[in-house]
Amino acid sequence: EAGVTQFPSHSVIEKGQTVTLRCDPISGHDNLYWYRRVMGKEIKFLLHFVKESKQDESGMPNNRFLAERTGGTYSTLKVQPAELEDSGVYFCASSIWTGAYNEQFFGPGTRLTVL
Amino acid sequence: DQQVKQNSPSLSVQEGRISILNCDYTNSMFDYFLWYKKYPAEGPTFLISISSIKDKNEDGRFTVFLNKSAKHLSLHIVPSQPGDSAVYFCAASGFSGSARQLTFGSGTQLTVLP
Repeated sequence: EAGVTQFPSHSVIEKGQTVTLRCDPISGHDNLYWYRRVMGKEIKFLLHFVKESKQDESGMPNNRFLAERTGGTYSTLKVQPAELEDSGVYFCASSIWTGAYNEQFFGPGTRLTVL
Repeated sequence: DQQVKQNSPSLSVQEGRISILNCDYTNSMFDYFLWYKKYPAEGPTFLISISSIKDKNEDGRFTVFLNKSAKHLSLHIVPSQPGDSAVYFCAASGFSGSARQLTFGSGTQLTVLP
């Protein structure tokens, strides 16, 4: 069974440019989460989808970040325009939905560097 | 303000000895706790978890202890093996409405010396 995949693995862009990260969750997983780890600090929650609906986006830093999950399958996270402080590793995770807690499976992450 | 804290950024242990990784939390609404293990260039992988109704959960060489009154949990690895060298993240979860998210600590780099 394929795990969570993320594309690209690395992205280097200049301040002011736009970048789109993609996440493909494990097939059948209704829950999809985005997290970010900055400068070796804690992994911070960004947002949570249940199927195509945003369940919780309280962790999104500001309106330069836009997440979508059309059709309830893969998700994209767009940063526009990118700022220096957006650099970090962006992780996607997915889990099944039962109403109770389920283990979240993480992708390998996308390392974003904004110059 | 960090709700989950791992105060030791690194830990070195001799192979065969016990590794003890610690984690403190501040939010009383957390009801489920997890440990994730992360190798370089990979995503975190689930290791072991514990519900707030328990004080211990064991899985092979890994045991997690929860002290609710102290808001403290620990991960014991015994015996430690060189392949256990990785960054270990403590995470906590609380059910907020219909959403669940993980709140992570900053990680502890464990190095097991052969």
